[in-house]
Amino acid sequence: QSVLTQPPSASGTPGQRVTISCSGSSSNIGSNSVYWYQQLPGTAPKLLIYRNNQRPSGVPDRFSGSKSGTSASLAISGLRSEDEADYYCAAWDDSLSGWVFGGGTKLTVL
Amino acid sequence: EVQLVESGGGLVKPGRSLRLSCTASGFSFGDYTMSWFRQAPGKGLEWVGFIRSKTYGGTTEYAASVKGRFTISRDDSKSIAYLQMNSLKTEDTAVYYCTRERFEWGFDPWGHGTLVTVSS
Repeated sequence: QSVLTQPPSASGTPGQRVTISCSGSSSNIGSNSVYWYQQLPGTAPKLLIYRNNQRPSGVPDRFSGSKSGTSASLAISGLRSEDEADYYCAAWDDSLSGWVFGGGTKLTVL
Repeated sequence: EVQLVESGGGLVKPGRSLRLSCTASGFSFGDYTMSWFRQAPGKGLEWVGFIRSKTYGGTTEYAASVKGRFTISRDDSKSIAYLQMNSLKTEDTAVYYCTRERFEWGFDPWGHGTLVTVSS
């Protein structure tokens, strides 16, 4: 059971906007930054969003992050077939003194 | 180009030890916290632990699941981070990734990972 809660799956058609939620608590999302990672099939994770809503250079602006209270979300607009991947949210947990993750959301582009 | 390359994975029997290495290049290794993560087959990501830079004391933190069995160290002169894994259990079977982090910029990049299989 993951500390952060994500839906196991999400889907959309090309061009659509999809959002993936991530729910936590006051000890993690409520008091620390949220990060999002994309893992394409058979590859290592890649940083997508840092500090709740910042994009590293090279990440398209189709990807955006937001945070409110103890929840966060990742939005992907203009969905493309190459966005089909697993997406993970992460945050530092003050109570556990460690990094915690969501269980991952498998995004399917129909 | 920033690069992280893990090595040292393989098949090991329960109760035995294994040491993984993470060789870094393309950046000032000593300035970064180095972290290890793992991913069991078909499962999600799990944080294993990290070692801070010498600037922040070079101290370590570990996940509860590995505390007391795993040890992270670093050799800044060689730009290598190590993960010493003792008393291995079948549930430690996973792909192990190393990555770097600083100033809340997130874990970026990640190495390609090295597979550790614990089985009799």
